[in-house]
Amino acid sequence: EAGVTQSPTHLIKTRGQQATLRCSPISGHTSVYWYQQALGLGLQFLLWYDEGEERNRGNFPPRFSGRQFPNYSSELNVNALELEDSALYLCASSFWGSETQYFGPGTRLLVL
Amino acid sequence: GQQLNQSPQSMFIQEGEDVSMNCTSSSIFNTWLWYKQDPGEGPVLLIALYKAGELTSNGRLTAQFGITRKDSFLNISASIPSDVGIYFCAGQGTSGTYKYIFGTGTRLKVLA
Repeated sequence: EAGVTQSPTHLIKTRGQQATLRCSPISGHTSVYWYQQALGLGLQFLLWYDEGEERNRGNFPPRFSGRQFPNYSSELNVNALELEDSALYLCASSFWGSETQYFGPGTRLLVL
Repeated sequence: GQQLNQSPQSMFIQEGEDVSMNCTSSSIFNTWLWYKQDPGEGPVLLIALYKAGELTSNGRLTAQFGITRKDSFLNISASIPSDVGIYFCAGQGTSGTYKYIFGTGTRLKVLA
C-alpha cells in the first residue's frame, strides 16, 4: 500500500513569490495535516483538513493557506514568501479521529 | 507555537549501549507517539501509547506513558548504527481538536 506522497521534493522561490505544495494521503485516510519543520527545530502544526474542510489551524499568518480536494489530496499555499519560510514542510494523513498520523517525505522549500 | 520539552537534545553513544530519552509537558495528554526521522525524510511512527502507565515495545524500542499523563519515555536497547536519527515525541491533548504537539527532538548518533 502506498504511503503519503508529497510533491515537489524541493522547491526554490524568491521573496514575495507564492509556493504551492501538494500532498496525497494514504488511501482511505480522510484527514490531512500540514507541519513546518524549520532547520534544527521541531514540527510546528500548520493546518488540519478533513472531508474537505479546515478543522484546525496553528499559529501561522493568513498567508499560509490550503485546501483539500474531493479525493482527499491537499494543497498548501504560501503567499508573499519570506526568507524565514525556508523549511521542510511535512504532510501527514490519518483516518478521521485516529491518533496515528503517517508522514510523507516532505517538501523542502528554500526562499532566496 | 506550543512544544513539549524533550531531553536530551542530542546524544553520542557507542554501538551496543542503551539509550533513554523523555518528553515532559505541563498539560495532560491522552495519547503519546514516538517518531524517528532519518535525514531528508519524514518522521516514521515507532510506538503509540494510549493509556497512562502503558508500556509498549517494538523490537529493541520500549516506550512508556507516564502515570501523571504529562510525560513519556523512550528506551532503545543495544543500539546499532542505523538507530542514528532524530527522535520526536508527540502528544495529543484533551481538547478534542486532534492536534498533536511535537517535542523538539533528540538527535542520536551511534559510534561504531
